[in-house]
Amino acid sequence: KNEVEQSPQNLTAQEGEFITINCSYSVGISALHWLQQHPGGGIVSLFMLSSGKKKHGRLIATINIQEKHSSLHITASHPRDSAVYICAVRSLGGGADGLTFGKGTHLIIQP
Amino acid sequence: EAGVAQSPRYKIIEKRQSVAFWCNPISGHATLYWYQQILGQGPKLLIQFQNNGVVDDSQLPKDRFSAERLKGVDSTLKIQPAKLEDSAVYLCASSLQGYGYTFGSGTRLTVV
Repeated sequence: KNEVEQSPQNLTAQEGEFITINCSYSVGISALHWLQQHPGGGIVSLFMLSSGKKKHGRLIATINIQEKHSSLHITASHPRDSAVYICAVRSLGGGADGLTFGKGTHLIIQP
Repeated sequence: EAGVAQSPRYKIIEKRQSVAFWCNPISGHATLYWYQQILGQGPKLLIQFQNNGVVDDSQLPKDRFSAERLKGVDSTLKIQPAKLEDSAVYLCASSLQGYGYTFGSGTRLTVV
């Protein structure tokens, strides 16, 4: 069973700061997702990675398969980025491909 | 493209009552997942369907939880009888062969 650890659990920063959220996992994966969850429960998929790096607007996600580690970066952070960011992985093999989730990082960006 | 639809958005019930949640996945997505998210934790997979067959229900408390996807499209998740510890957000998601994961807005269940 894959164990997914995120850090930090909570992060408060000032508007404009560069934000980094880390994710590590214990077992080989076929894909890693970064998700955003706002109060109310709905989850939005930000990235799906299997290697390298992806960029979308001010968000950048990287993954190092050998080190079993991924990071999510937010440049020029804004109060609307305040949310819970969740890392989730899809383990290798088998027909069951439900995601294993980290506990999330609660990010608050203050104006 | 329409998203994953879930209803109701909120539900409050007394313990020992029954409740049902409904999910309509993205059109064409053969795989449907139900997740349970307890406050302060990441979501946990309850059950995965491939079309109308169950792929993984190893974490579904089968003594009180049941789920079905009769025609390979819509799905319902039922709890009977509910316990206090079932209070959580129930998320439905769908994918096309594990890709294009899309989540619904969730149903927030409070058991009192």
